Amino acid sequence: AQTVTQSQPEMSVQEAETVTLSCTYDTSESDYYLFWYKQPPSRQMILVIRQEAYKQQNATENRFSVNFQKAAKSFSLKISDSQLGDAAMYFCAYRSLSRNSGNTPLVFGKGTRLSVIA
Amino acid sequence: GAVVSQHPSWVICKSGTSVKIECRSLDFQATTMFWYRQFPKQSLMLMATSNEGSKATYEQGVEKDKFLINHASLTLSTLTVTSAHPEDSSFYICRALAGGSYEQYFGPGTRLTVT
Repeated sequence: AQTVTQSQPEMSVQEAETVTLSCTYDTSESDYYLFWYKQPPSRQMILVIRQEAYKQQNATENRFSVNFQKAAKSFSLKISDSQLGDAAMYFCAYRSLSRNSGNTPLVFGKGTRLSVIA
Repeated sequence: GAVVSQHPSWVICKSGTSVKIECRSLDFQATTMFWYRQFPKQSLMLMATSNEGSKATYEQGVEKDKFLINHASLTLSTLTVTSAHPEDSSFYICRALAGGSYEQYFGPGTRLTVT
């Protein structure tokens, strides 16, 4: 079974600075997706960024980027120019890529609580 | 973008009663829905996977007779917590898979408090 590990329960960053959240995973599969989700106090899960394992290029979405190291099974999230609205729980997640259907669930890490200091 | 709704958003019930939570895909057909539970300050744990028109598949340790899941249509799945107890108090989140694609969308969640 796949597992996802987030080793930083809490992180803090100064507004406008850069912060990196760590994530490692364990799998024997070669094809899969990796995600970072943000959960603000409203508890609505918001997709931040997605990475397909077969793509060597790191995904980026505006101020958010990842460092995907497939061999090391590492998937860190970098937030640049941090804003107060970035404060939230961040979950790293893994999903198998089934060739027959997309009905594979997400496996989540335990999350990292990010605080942004004004 | 695709929208998934959950109803109710927050429910308080007495111990021993049953509560039904609805998860609807508003603008797409959801062939598969996943139900997660999230305890305070913890991660999301998968409870079950339901496919339209068939029985749900439950994760190990989840009582299927206590957490009844029905996925009777392509736009609606329901989770019924039967004979609820205070330890069932949690945040329940559904996630819907859009048929014909690999895209999945979260509902906003339902907070259940059992007194």
